[in-house]
Amino acid sequence: DVKVTQSSRYLVKRTGEKVFLECVQDMDHENMFWYRQDPGLGLRLIYFSYDVKMKEKGDIPEGYSVSREKKERFSLILESASTNQTSMYLCASRGLLYRTDTQYFGPGTRLTVL
Amino acid sequence: TQLLEQSPQFLSIQEGENLTVYCNSSSVFSSLQWYRQEPGEGPVLLVTVVTGGEVKKLKRLTFQFGDARKDSSLHITAAQPGDTGLYLCAGDPQAAGNKLTFGGGTRVLVKP
Repeated sequence: DVKVTQSSRYLVKRTGEKVFLECVQDMDHENMFWYRQDPGLGLRLIYFSYDVKMKEKGDIPEGYSVSREKKERFSLILESASTNQTSMYLCASRGLLYRTDTQYFGPGTRLTVL
Repeated sequence: TQLLEQSPQFLSIQEGENLTVYCNSSSVFSSLQWYRQEPGEGPVLLVTVVTGGEVKKLKRLTFQFGDARKDSSLHITAAQPGDTGLYLCAGDPQAAGNKLTFGGGTRVLVKP
């Protein structure tokens, strides 16, 4: 059974803290993605990576950075958390070969910044 | 930027009724995927449609890809409370790259 796992389901942090969200996939996928999901705004892409050490900005990268040191792991970093980063964060991975490849999502991390 | 518009945003129906969710764009997609997301979970893929005019059935769910590959619909027959969730469509643009474009989602509530 394919799996994308995220380090935490729920996280509460204070304004100004540095926050790490970890994502691991076991499908040997090249592509990995970080989204945030907010009511009324849908899924918005923050960053994605198509290979180890490679990253590209998505639609809303401001206030975030990412790291991909190993193929199976993609980390999202909030350098200095702010209240407007309170959201549901979803990690996903997808194969490279076929345009019909399934994109698999993790269970999500609900982050609250106080 | 390619956009996908989903309608309606919210649908509340009684068990046994039928419903249709629409996903529309002015852009062409090489494939289109439908996901269902339950509260507190990540989206799970239901189906991928690839060919213009394609129709796929998954038990009581019928998915259609428009002839021009710009739009899609999801029809649920005799809805059940277990169909409750957020339905998302996602298009794979024809241009290179592996980023999906997501619609805003349709929240479906099936009341017993």
